[in-house]
Amino acid sequence: GQNIDQPTEMTATEGAIVQINCTYQTSGFNGLFWYQQHAGEAPTFLSYNVLDGLEEKGRFSSFLSRSKGYSYLLLKELQMKDSASYLCAVLDSNYQLIWGAGTKLIIKP
Amino acid sequence: EAGVTQFPSHSVIEKGQTVTLRCDPISGHDNLYWYRRVMGKEIKFLLHFVKESKQDESGMPNNRFLAERTGGTYSTLKVQPAELEDSGVYFCASRGSPLHFGNGTRLTVT
Repeated sequence: GQNIDQPTEMTATEGAIVQINCTYQTSGFNGLFWYQQHAGEAPTFLSYNVLDGLEEKGRFSSFLSRSKGYSYLLLKELQMKDSASYLCAVLDSNYQLIWGAGTKLIIKP
Repeated sequence: EAGVTQFPSHSVIEKGQTVTLRCDPISGHDNLYWYRRVMGKEIKFLLHFVKESKQDESGMPNNRFLAERTGGTYSTLKVQPAELEDSGVYFCASRGSPLHFGNGTRLTVT
């Protein structure tokens, strides 16, 4: 079966760094997405990785290892507004998005 | 370019009533997807259109849900009759890279 695993909840301190991990097992791979979702709102796109390596975009970076079925989202200089759910999703061979359950990130002052 | 738009943004209906959600994808995007997030759970795939054809509707929960995309432009998702468990946020997305999501329709069935 297809499976995406990520931690249910994480807590971090304002100004610090946090890494949210995602492991996946899917039928085919056409890329991995990270989305941010605030409560009651639509997900917003953060990053898309299809090749191995690290992609940096401001305070957010995303890493992919296809051989290990592993990705992480790195958030630096955390701000209170970063409190949200972070969703990992894989595009499988049929272009269906397979979603993880999301990681709720709580930022404390 | 204009993004994916959904209407209405919020709908409150009573159990047994009918509701129709609309999605306008980005112009030129043939692939259109419907997803649903029930409170506290992950987003679930409902169905996938390629132009006006249903490519995959394996995620549709039951026959109370009917999706159409006449002419391959906008799509509608009708729930008839609505049940309490249908409450949630319904998202539409059209495919570029990445997927472009609409803002969602929050459906509340009372």
